Amino acid sequence: QKEVEQDPGPLSVPEGAIVSLNCTYSNSAFQYFMWYRQYSRKGPELLMYTYSSGNKEDGRFTAQVDKSSKYISLFIRDSQPSDSATYLCAMYQGGSEKLVFGKGTKLTVNP
Amino acid sequence: SAVISQKPSRDICQRGTSLTIQCQVDSQVTMMFWYRQQPGQSLTLIATANQGSEATYESGFVIDKFPISRPNLTFSTLTVSNMSPEDSSIYLCSVGQRNRGYTFGSGTRLTVV
Repeated sequence: QKEVEQDPGPLSVPEGAIVSLNCTYSNSAFQYFMWYRQYSRKGPELLMYTYSSGNKEDGRFTAQVDKSSKYISLFIRDSQPSDSATYLCAMYQGGSEKLVFGKGTKLTVNP
Repeated sequence: SAVISQKPSRDICQRGTSLTIQCQVDSQVTMMFWYRQQPGQSLTLIATANQGSEATYESGFVIDKFPISRPNLTFSTLTVSNMSPEDSSIYLCSVGQRNRGYTFGSGTRLTVV
């Protein structure tokens, strides 16, 4: 079993839709969770950073962590064509600087 | 957050040759990280580079294949040695801090023919 599982998609939604992206993980030692957005031929860009269970909101983006279920989510409200990208989840343990990534989900928002 | 400049952005290399990738950061950082992103695969950490000490390599990566230099607190290089087509990938450097998240460069897209 991979440490981090992420459905690669592709996911295609109409403009204005609410998008839900998810990752599951197997290592209960993971404490820090991140979501990155990666446009084609660009490096990953940090979107959200969370620690422990709960929700964190930043504009149209909400990150959710459920440690009991080992499940994290990223919600995008009022999705825009400019949100079309690959979204990567990443996490790491306390005391470590090694990020473990999901494979990424490719999202297309259609005008 | 730090701004990272990575060079070259892409290259096509002959098998058996070596390529050195440069990573320049606009501020001093303790640790720099090198990742590989293979097609259809997760970003994977190759090694962690601290200034003034040997890089620490992850399982499956060795210094002879991926030598790293870290001459100062703003610069690092990763060399991909004796390349084969299996080394075709995107190589990324990263900096950051626990509790603040990590920033990535734009990557080097390497094709080995």
